[in-house]
Amino acid sequence: SAVISQKPSRDICQRGTSLTIQCQVDSQVTMMFWYRQQPGQSLTLIATANQGSEATYESGFVIDKFPISRPNLTFSTLTVSNMSPEDSSIYLCSVEDVGFSGNTIYFGEGSWLTVV
Amino acid sequence: SQKIEQNSEALNIQEGKTATLTCNYTNYSPAYLQWYRQDPGRGPVFLLLIRENEKEKRKERLKVTFDTTLKQSLFHITASQPADSATYLCALLNQAGTALIFGKGTTLSVSS
Repeated sequence: SAVISQKPSRDICQRGTSLTIQCQVDSQVTMMFWYRQQPGQSLTLIATANQGSEATYESGFVIDKFPISRPNLTFSTLTVSNMSPEDSSIYLCSVEDVGFSGNTIYFGEGSWLTVV
Repeated sequence: SQKIEQNSEALNIQEGKTATLTCNYTNYSPAYLQWYRQDPGRGPVFLLLIRENEKEKRKERLKVTFDTTLKQSLFHITASQPADSATYLCALLNQAGTALIFGKGTTLSVSS
């Protein structure tokens, strides 16, 4: 399994500002994902971070709001732009391990953002 | 679109009993289904994966069943302990095969 480190682990942000979350993996992985977990809700996929090309966004998420970078196979960033209180959430980086029995997702510890 | 329902938000049981959590899905027949554990303030941790051609899978005190006719998976924890208290999420691959979609989870509380 991969070890995933996210920074920051927690932050309080001012309305209207932007914050970039970093995700570092200890091994090269093909697939990296960014999820959001709002309070009391389950995980929702924001986008798939593609190495060397633009991220693939899920319905309801756009690049202007959540720009993503993936410069190599071990690192990705997610920026939450022009934040509002509705963006208060846990943001989780994850990677996929393709095994014999199927694909398993491993998660980082998450970045807890509170927008005030 | 795919829909996943975990039938209860919270489950309270006594230590030593078997906890049974339910996951139902609609509109799609996934090749496999997964269960994760999430503790407060932490990211989800993978527990078990069961394929569509597997009826049952076990790992220590955990047992997962997968009924593709009923479109249901059951997750059992036998001889439950207070340390098993957490939120358990089921997940399946979306129809495009590109990413996992998650249920809302069931929060299990095991009291001693």
